[in-house]
Amino acid sequence: EAQVTQNPRYLITVTGKKLTVTCSQNMNHEYMSWYRQDPGLGLRQIYYSMNVEVTDKGDVPEGYKVSRKEKRNFPLILESPSPNQTSLYFCASSPGTSGNEQYFGPGTRLTVT
Amino acid sequence: AQKITQTQPGMFVQEKEAVTLDCTYDTSDQSYGLFWYKQPSSGEMIFLIYQGSYDEQNATEGRYSLNFQKARKSANLVISASQLGDSAMYFCAMREYYTQSGNTPLVFGKGTRLSVIA
Repeated sequence: EAQVTQNPRYLITVTGKKLTVTCSQNMNHEYMSWYRQDPGLGLRQIYYSMNVEVTDKGDVPEGYKVSRKEKRNFPLILESPSPNQTSLYFCASSPGTSGNEQYFGPGTRLTVT
Repeated sequence: AQKITQTQPGMFVQEKEAVTLDCTYDTSDQSYGLFWYKQPSSGEMIFLIYQGSYDEQNATEGRYSLNFQKARKSANLVISASQLGDSAMYFCAMREYYTQSGNTPLVFGKGTRLSVIA
């Protein structure tokens, strides 16, 4: 089954404790993104990757890092999480940078206390 | 300036009635795509319908149709015969296909919360 998986689905952590949210897709997609969703703001892009070893900042990259060592995986790293990073995070993938397909993972609900 | 505007924070509709969720967009590109997603209370983003900027016909998917008015830059979602399970947040989004950076993110509106009443 074609899918995007994220882990963990829920996470409560404390300020400053490094964490990684994993994202994996099984569709051989080149383009992958991370979004965060906050009430009243919709979804905003954090980082994106157009292929292996090619990553760049989206609209709200501060406080996040990503890597793309393999095509299928695109982890999101919070080196020193802060309460303002409490949010719902979505990973998404697409076959390329054009087209009508954008697959979303199930979301990761992160709370930083 | 906002690229996607959804002016209705919340809507109510009677079961079995049709409802229109508004979406206007702003772009100077000729090549773009418009998407609608549904987000139930469980949180996942469910793709509903897509309209390409060059598509001449309005997109339809089952009970969903997209009323695409290119000159007015509007892409309203019409849900026919509403069901209780349609209660959710609905997001309109746009993807511009030719950008300077090559990045083509989905840009989302702030959403409309639809409540279907029995």
